[in-house]
This record gives sequence, C-alpha cells and structure tokens, in this order.
Amino acid sequence: DVKVTQSSRYLVKRTGEKVFLECVQDMDHENMFWYRQDPGLGLRLIYFSYDVKMKEKGDIPEGYSVSREKKERFSLILESASTNQTSMYLCASSSAGGPGEQFFGPGTRLTVL
Amino acid sequence: AQSVTQLDSQVPVFEEAPVELRCNYSSSVSVYLFWYVQYPNQGLQLLLKYLSGSTLVKGINGFEAEFNKSQTSFHLRKPSVHISDTAEYFCAVSDHDSSYKLIFGSGTRLLVRP
Repeated sequence: DVKVTQSSRYLVKRTGEKVFLECVQDMDHENMFWYRQDPGLGLRLIYFSYDVKMKEKGDIPEGYSVSREKKERFSLILESASTNQTSMYLCASSSAGGPGEQFFGPGTRLTVL
Repeated sequence: AQSVTQLDSQVPVFEEAPVELRCNYSSSVSVYLFWYVQYPNQGLQLLLKYLSGSTLVKGINGFEAEFNKSQTSFHLRKPSVHISDTAEYFCAVSDHDSSYKLIFGSGTRLLVRP
C-alpha cells in the first residue's frame, strides 16, 4: 500500500521559532510537494521538488524553505514562524512524467502562538 | 493561468438523496481532471480522474464525474449519498504541458444529514 507519512499530526510553536516539517514517501516518486490548506482557499502550493536537491517555488513560498537530501524525504522549514503561518500543511508525491495524480500524507496542523 | 472554481462552499443533503458538486476550470487547453476527497482530520484521497477517452468517469464509493469540454466543467455526482460521504471534496486540474502541477479549487463541504 502506497504511503506518504508526515512527522507530526499536530504541532504548537511560538512566534520566531524555527520549525521543521518532515515528509517521507515509500513509492520511489520523483516529485514531492508541500501545500498549505486554509478554509475557503483550498490547497496552495508552497514548494515543489522534482529530484534530489532540486526545488521550485510554488505560489506562496515567502517565509518558507525546503530541503531534499534523499529521494524519499522532503522537509519544509519555517525559518522564523509567525502567527499567519498557522495552518494545515499537506505533503504529496507523484511520479515523473505522469498525468499529475498526487498521493497525500495525513497533514500536520501547525499552530503558531 | 489555469484556475478552478467550485461555486458551492457547502452542500447539505439528506441521506439517500442524489448530489452534484460543481467544478469549472478556466482554460480550454488540454487538461487532466481530478476529484479528491478529504475526510475529517485526514489527507486527500483520489476519488476519480479524467485523463482521456470516455467523458464519463467512474470512481470509488459510487461517485462519477462527466467531463464537458465545451463548458469547461467536471461535475461530480452520486445517485444516493450516505452519512459516511460527509467530507470535503476538491476538484483539481493540470495542463498537459505541466502535468506535474495540480491547481485546486477551494473545496466543497458535503454535509449528509439523516
């Protein structure tokens, strides 16, 4: 059974803290994605990686960075968390060259106080 | 740029009634179309997809969707809903040229009442 896992389901951090969200997939997928989900806004792409050490900015990259040192792992980093980054964060993966079907993790609900 | 519109933010319906969730996309170029479902406190799960061929697509849990190119729509339907169908439903589209990237609608919350 295909699986995308995220390191935490719920996370509470303080303003200014550095936050790491981890995502691991076991499908040998080339592509990995980080989204944030907010009510009424759907899913918005933060960053995308199409290979190890390769990344592209999505629609809302400000305040975030990413790291992909291994094919199966994609990390989202909030360098200095702010209250407006309180959200649900979803990781997804997909195979290269396909029609875009993505497989999602369960999400991390981050609260920044 | 491609965009997806889900006009209904919430759709209440009684159990065993039919339902249609609407989705329209902006571009008339060749596209792939998807419907995802998100149950409470879970990630997104693929319901069905249109890649090519027949415009009527059948998915899991009795859902189906019809691709209408002239109206740039991909509405989701189910003839008889269950309480367990209560969830949020997202329509998504990708262009053939950049098929890795999905553009999502804002979601429709389906609320099934007994």
